[in-house]
Amino acid sequence: DSGVTQTPKHLITATGQRVTLRCSPRSGDLSVYWYQQSLDQGLQFLIQYYNGEERAKGNILERFSAQQFPDLHSELNLSSLELGDSALYFCASSVGASGHQETQYFGPGTRLLVL
Amino acid sequence: GQSLEQPSEVTAVEGAIVQINCTYQTSGFYGLSWYQQHDGGAPTFLSYNALDGLEETGRFSSFLSRSDSYGYLLLQELQMKDSASYFCAVKGTALIFGKGTTLSVSS
Repeated sequence: DSGVTQTPKHLITATGQRVTLRCSPRSGDLSVYWYQQSLDQGLQFLIQYYNGEERAKGNILERFSAQQFPDLHSELNLSSLELGDSALYFCASSVGASGHQETQYFGPGTRLLVL
Repeated sequence: GQSLEQPSEVTAVEGAIVQINCTYQTSGFYGLSWYQQHDGGAPTFLSYNALDGLEETGRFSSFLSRSDSYGYLLLQELQMKDSASYFCAVKGTALIFGKGTTLSVSS
């Protein structure tokens, strides 16, 4: 158990809908990262927040947005869902902002299926 | 841009030694990390190399050559439970993962 929690574990929804994925980092970690993992693309970095502020942005679609709240939990919002958005979404956390010398601890993931 | 190349699949038998290579192209390189992921599970950190050379942690070792933009993960005394996907990752502005190597260990 990494100490990172994600809810829900599974989510089934229809195209065009909007969903919110939630992540709570390990106690003491200030950075939260979101990743998308699909079969053909591997682990794709989406976005990083550090202490409530956006820190780095990866291949995140405009239909997706995220935020980190004062209690450091984070939410990833996915809207106008398409079939291709079906994937495993991971949240990870680390202590600091830079991440390059830090271990990232991954949550168990949310499996999203868009029908 | 940033890119990483690693083999898609490797097979081996119990007790054997396996090396998973990773070549990378990135700006602002800080180090090379390795993560393990069992099927459907969360990636877990294995090792990190910031400097050239070999880092050993039990049965697993990781190597980095910054001048060659190359690293590898060495797994010794393979066990069935080592069957998993292994990802190399480099840190530029963010941690960028390779597409992973699926290791299958048979008895």
